[in-house]
Amino acid sequence: GDSVTQMQGQVTLSEDDFLFINCTYSTTWYPTLFWYVQYPGEGPQLLLKVTTANNKGISRGFEATYDKRTTSFHLQKASVQESDSAVYYCVLENTGGADRLTFGKGTQLIIQP
Amino acid sequence: DMKVTQMPRYLIKRMGENVLLECGQDMSHETMYWYRQDPGLGLQLIYISYDVDSNSEGDIPKGYRVSRKKREHFSLILDSAKTNQTSVYFCASSLWVYEQYFGPGTRLTVL
Repeated sequence: GDSVTQMQGQVTLSEDDFLFINCTYSTTWYPTLFWYVQYPGEGPQLLLKVTTANNKGISRGFEATYDKRTTSFHLQKASVQESDSAVYYCVLENTGGADRLTFGKGTQLIIQP
Repeated sequence: DMKVTQMPRYLIKRMGENVLLECGQDMSHETMYWYRQDPGLGLQLIYISYDVDSNSEGDIPKGYRVSRKKREHFSLILDSAKTNQTSVYFCASSLWVYEQYFGPGTRLTVL
């Protein structure tokens, strides 16, 4: 079945550092991939979407690139701020029926002031 | 104003008691979801509802049931709650499956 893997459970950075969160996926079809973000005390919300057609998504200073060869979907940001502290989920739209999403386990981003 | 609400926000129950979690949305979305979130496990799908009285099991439906009698309301019911159902429960609604709007969550503790 479809799956996504986030190996980094937690990432700790200082303000203005470069952010890179790794995600790999497994699916039998051409995926549509997303990053969701969950701020403290809130539910998750869509951050950005990437399809096989455009290979890259950009939103709120974050960028995600989809690499079919390595089945990876990384999230990057050039300069993080304390307000970026949140949990980031790599998400795959299920290809069999496409009525649901598969969430990764999440990466907790901690920004030290 | 696009919003998903959940009640209650915090709930403590004893093992064996019944639990009712309520969710509402004001976007007229046909599709609604219930998830649970546990540390290290991310979000796990419990049930999907495609519209009134049209519900489907998610990945972990055992021990849960749902009710949807109005498009804007979706309830999650735990009959005889168990301690391993202690978790944070999220409701979501969507027009397109990929853009789900989540509520703020209900933190349930079963003692």
